[in-house]
Amino acid sequence: GENVEQHPSTLSVQEGDSAVIKCTYSDSASNYFPWYKQELGKRPQLIIDIRSNVGEKKDQRIAVTLNKTAKHFSLHITETQPEDSAVYFCAASIRAGGTSYGKLTFGQGTILTVHP
Amino acid sequence: NAGVTQTPKFRVLKTGQSMTLLCAQDMNHEYMYWYRQDPGMGLRLIHYSVGEGTTAKGEVPDGYNVSRLKKQNFLLGLESAAPSQTSVYFCASSSLRTDTQYFGPGTRLTVL
Repeated sequence: GENVEQHPSTLSVQEGDSAVIKCTYSDSASNYFPWYKQELGKRPQLIIDIRSNVGEKKDQRIAVTLNKTAKHFSLHITETQPEDSAVYFCAASIRAGGTSYGKLTFGQGTILTVHP
Repeated sequence: NAGVTQTPKFRVLKTGQSMTLLCAQDMNHEYMYWYRQDPGMGLRLIHYSVGEGTTAKGEVPDGYNVSRLKKQNFLLGLESAAPSQTSVYFCASSSLRTDTQYFGPGTRLTVL
C-alpha cells in the first residue's frame, strides 16, 4: 500500500519568515495530494491540493509543488503569521471515482509554530 | 447545511465495554470514512464505505465494525473496547466526482 513520509515533525519560525514542509510517497499511481491544517482541538481542514497533471499551485501565501519523478511534494507558506500555527498534514491518494475510492494515506504531521 | 457531524464528542469507556460512534453528512456524498488520530501517527483509515450497504477495511480495522444502512450515516462500533483504542476518531465524507474529503469535529474516546 501507499506510504507517506513527512518532514520535519516540528518547525519553528519567526513571523514573516517562510516555512516549508516536505512529503514523499511510495505509490507511483497516486495522483492527488491534499494538504490539511488542523488547529488544536479542531478538525482537519483542506487548505490546498494538487493533482499529478500540475507541477505547482498557489493560493495567496500558500503554494504546493509536486515532483512526480522523485515522488515528493512540498507545502510552502510565505510571510508566516501567528495564526498559521497549527499541525499540517500531507496526504496522497488515487483520485475518487476509481476503484481506490479516494482513500487518503496521511503523513505523520508537522507542528508549525510561528513566533510573533 | 451542517456538513459532517459526529456524536458523541467525548466518551470514557471501561475495558470490555461496547459503544457506537455516529457520523452523519448532509452533502449527499457517496463515500464515507472513519479515521483514528494518535500522536505522531497522523490519521489512519479504519474502515470506509463507497455507498449505502457497502463497507470495506482500511489500514487499521481490527477491533472495529461499521455499518452504512443509510447513505447519510456511517456508524463505527467497538464491541469490546481496549485501552489501545484510546484515540480521537474522525469521520469524513467525499463525493465520487471530486477529491476533497470533509471532516467531522471528532470524538475523543478514552478507554480505561
